[in-house]
Amino acid sequence: QSALTQPASVSGSPGQSITISCTGTSSDVGGYNYVSWYQQHPGKAPKLMISEVTDRPSGVSNRFSASKSGNTASLTISGLQAEDEADYYCSSYTSSSTLVFGGGTKLTVL
Amino acid sequence: EVQLLESGGGLVQPGGSLRLSCAASGFTFNSYSMYWVRQAPGKGLEWVSGISGSGNTISYGDSVKGRFTISRDNSKNTVYLRMNSLRAEDTAVYYCAKDQTWRWDLLALRAIDYWGQGTLVTVSS
Repeated sequence: QSALTQPASVSGSPGQSITISCTGTSSDVGGYNYVSWYQQHPGKAPKLMISEVTDRPSGVSNRFSASKSGNTASLTISGLQAEDEADYYCSSYTSSSTLVFGGGTKLTVL
Repeated sequence: EVQLLESGGGLVQPGGSLRLSCAASGFTFNSYSMYWVRQAPGKGLEWVSGISGSGNTISYGDSVKGRFTISRDNSKNTVYLRMNSLRAEDTAVYYCAKDQTWRWDLLALRAIDYWGQGTLVTVSS
C-alpha cells in the first residue's frame, strides 16, 4: 500500500489561507468517505483535526475545513496563526482493509 | 478522560523480539478498534496494525505482515503488539491509538481520536 501524496511543505503569512492536498487512488481516497487529517507539533502525538472528509471534532477551530474531489482530498486553514505551524497528515481507509497515511506536509507560518 | 499508556519499548538487536503493551482507560474498551501507528525518526506516520473491539478482525501493514502480531485482552483493557524478526527499519516511536467509531464487531479504520504518548523502539547492534 503506497502512502498518499502530500506536498512536502507549504507556507503562509498570518491571516492568510493555505490548502494542503492529499492524493490517493480509487482504492482509498476516491473510493471511501473516510479521509482524516491530523496535526502534529514537534515531539507530540498527532491530533485529529478532520474526520470522514469534512467533519470537525469538538474543540477544533472552525478555521480548519476540508473537502474531497475524486482521488484528492484537501485541508484548508484560514486566518493562519503562529500556533498552526506544525506537520499535517492525511489518512484514508483502503480497499485492503488497512489505513494509509500521507507522507506529511510541514506548514510554516512566515 | 481517555488515556492510552504504552510500555515495552527499548533497545533490541536485529532479529530480536519485543512486546509492546498499551493500557487503556476512560472509555468502553471492548467497543472500539485499536491501532498501532509508528513514526521513524524525522519521518512520517505509518499505520502498523489494527484490531476490532471483539478481537476477531485484524489487519496489518505490508511492511510488518508475518513478523508482527496484534492482540488485545478486553478483561485487562490492554492491546499488545508482538514484534519478531526486528530490523533496523523498524526503529520508530510506536503509538497506540483508538478509533473514534463505536463498533465492537468491526475493524473500523475510520479516524483516530486518541493517541498515546508513544514508546521508542530502537533496533541496533
